[in-house]
Parts: sequence; structure tokens; C-alpha cells
Amino acid sequence: SAVISQKPSRDICQRGTSLTIQCQVDSQVTMMFWYRQQPGQSLTLIATANQGSEATYESGFVIDKFPISRPNLTFSTLTVSNLSPEDSSIYLCSVGTSGGAYEQYFGPGTRLTVT
Amino acid sequence: GEDVEQSLFLSVREGDSSVINCTYTDSSSTYLYWYKQEPGAGLQLLTYIFSNMDMKQDQRLTVLLNKKDKHLSLRIADTQTGDSAIYFCAESLYTGKLIFGQGTTLQVKP
Repeated sequence: SAVISQKPSRDICQRGTSLTIQCQVDSQVTMMFWYRQQPGQSLTLIATANQGSEATYESGFVIDKFPISRPNLTFSTLTVSNLSPEDSSIYLCSVGTSGGAYEQYFGPGTRLTVT
Repeated sequence: GEDVEQSLFLSVREGDSSVINCTYTDSSSTYLYWYKQEPGAGLQLLTYIFSNMDMKQDQRLTVLLNKKDKHLSLRIADTQTGDSAIYFCAESLYTGKLIFGQGTTLQVKP
């Protein structure tokens, strides 16, 4: 399995500002993903973080709002820009291990509250 | 389209077996997963099954897959109060993307 850490674990931000979330893995992984879990809801994939190239975004998510970086095989960041109360959610990164995505592990999540 | 459905709530007595059910629509799913989420915590991977398998057992957990009916179940034997949590079923597509169900809240009564 992979050990995944996220920073910050939680934050309270004002409307119109941005928050950058870091995801660090203890080993090199092929695939990294960012998910959103809105209050009381299930998880929805935001994007796949690609090492060395632009992230692949799911329908309904755009790069201007959710810019993602992945400079190497163990680290990624997700920025949530121009925050509104609707962005209040838990943001989780996940990684696929063992040469494919069939074992997917999640970080502890970042709980964002926008006031 | 891609859709995963679960019942929202299950209540059992401590020591009983719990069975959580899930249905999915995408026949091209490669793997199917069960995750556990405790209050305020991230997701813990419990187990997963390859789409060509029928059953997988891991200690107190048994996963059954009926690919014809696109039905997945998770059985927890000898359910304990520590098993109280939300359980998510998920299917993976070839891209690695996971499609999650709404989650089943398991309540274990002493």
C-alpha cells in the first residue's frame, strides 16, 4: 500500500481567495487523482494529475478553477481558485499503485470551508 | 452512462452478519472496490475484486460479484461496533477513474 499525506488537513477561507492543497506519497506512483466530496455526498473525480503534462479534467471541472500541478511521481498540488461557499467540501487525492490503477488509496483529505 | 447505486442505510446487531449491496451499470468495469469511511476520516480501501471473479474472501469480509446482473455485495461476518461507518462501492474504468455509489451507512447496535 501507499502512505499518502495531505496539507492542510483543514482550512477556513474567505470568498474570492484561493487554497492550494498538497499531496505527498511515500513512493513513486503512476497515477494520481483528485476527488471532491461535498457535504453528505459521495466522491466525484475532478481530474487525473499527469506527471510532466497538463491534468485531464472531468466534465464540469475546468483548469482555471482547479489548476493542478504534478512535478514528479510522488507529489501533486490542487488549487481551488476564486472560492465561493459552494466550494466547501473535502478534497482528496488518491494514487494508483502496482503498475496500474487497480489498487487505489486515498489521502486523509482536506476539509475546506468557505465563508 | 456510468452509475453506481447503493442502499443508504443498514442497521444490524453486534455479532450478526452485515450485507451491503451495490449495483453498477458500466459493463466495461475492470475492478470493483469497497471503501470504508469513518466520521472525519479519509477512505480506507477494504477490498477489491477483478471483474472476472465471482467471489473474494478476506478474513471477515466476503465480496460476491454477479457480473450478469451487475450486482456486487459485501458481507461482514461477526459485525462489531467498530465496523460502524459509511461503506462506498466503486467501479473503476480503464482510465483508473473511480465511479462511487452514494455510500451505505452501517449502524451496529450493541
